[in-house]
Amino acid sequence: GAVVSQHPSWVICKSGTSVKIECRSLDFQATTMFWYRQFPKQSLMLMATSNEGSKATYEQGVEKDKFLINHASLTLSTLTVTSAHPEDSSFYICSARETGVDLEQYFGPGTRLTVT
Amino acid sequence: GQNIDQPTEMTATEGAIVQINCTYQTSGFNGLFWYQQHAGEAPTFLSYNVLDGLEEKGRFSSFLSRSKGYSYLLLKELQMKDSASYLCAVLDSNYQLIWGAGTKLIIKP
Repeated sequence: GAVVSQHPSWVICKSGTSVKIECRSLDFQATTMFWYRQFPKQSLMLMATSNEGSKATYEQGVEKDKFLINHASLTLSTLTVTSAHPEDSSFYICSARETGVDLEQYFGPGTRLTVT
Repeated sequence: GQNIDQPTEMTATEGAIVQINCTYQTSGFNGLFWYQQHAGEAPTFLSYNVLDGLEEKGRFSSFLSRSKGYSYLLLKELQMKDSASYLCAVLDSNYQLIWGAGTKLIIKP
């Protein structure tokens, strides 16, 4: 149980375009989902906390107009990287916390984004 | 500020035992997690400690001392597949995960 999927697993896009990444909890409901970014050989950096039905909470330094987060249902959150630039190339990982059950975060497999 | 410290890199021999330490200073404490992360993959859950003491799970054990702000992950009978980064993370008073930078563990034959 407690499986989180991400789609796509990797994507290459051109500068200036937008990319949408989906995060789904497959067998549980997740009121809260988290979006992380990880650069090579560095630890996870929390970008934002996404709560179902409300606006996401962004960490300091993360542009909310550039990284649009939508958590429209208890099983789906999306991250849209708008007007992507090469410096946005990174490994994006989502995680989900099961509603009212656990403190543990279940991680998706990650999405490797390359902006050319 | 909030801070999690763990060694950057460790090397051990196949079949041996290794202990990865983690010290933390956070605003509040609601538990400490250890995750394993292989290169290019997302983290996978190893353990969760919220009370002092040792939790054993197969070849992996995790220890916590809340008064010392200290935890360790103990890996026994090391296998080559254990080569990975090991991330220590603390759940603070806001139930936010604070992450350490990770310890890269290299296993040699």
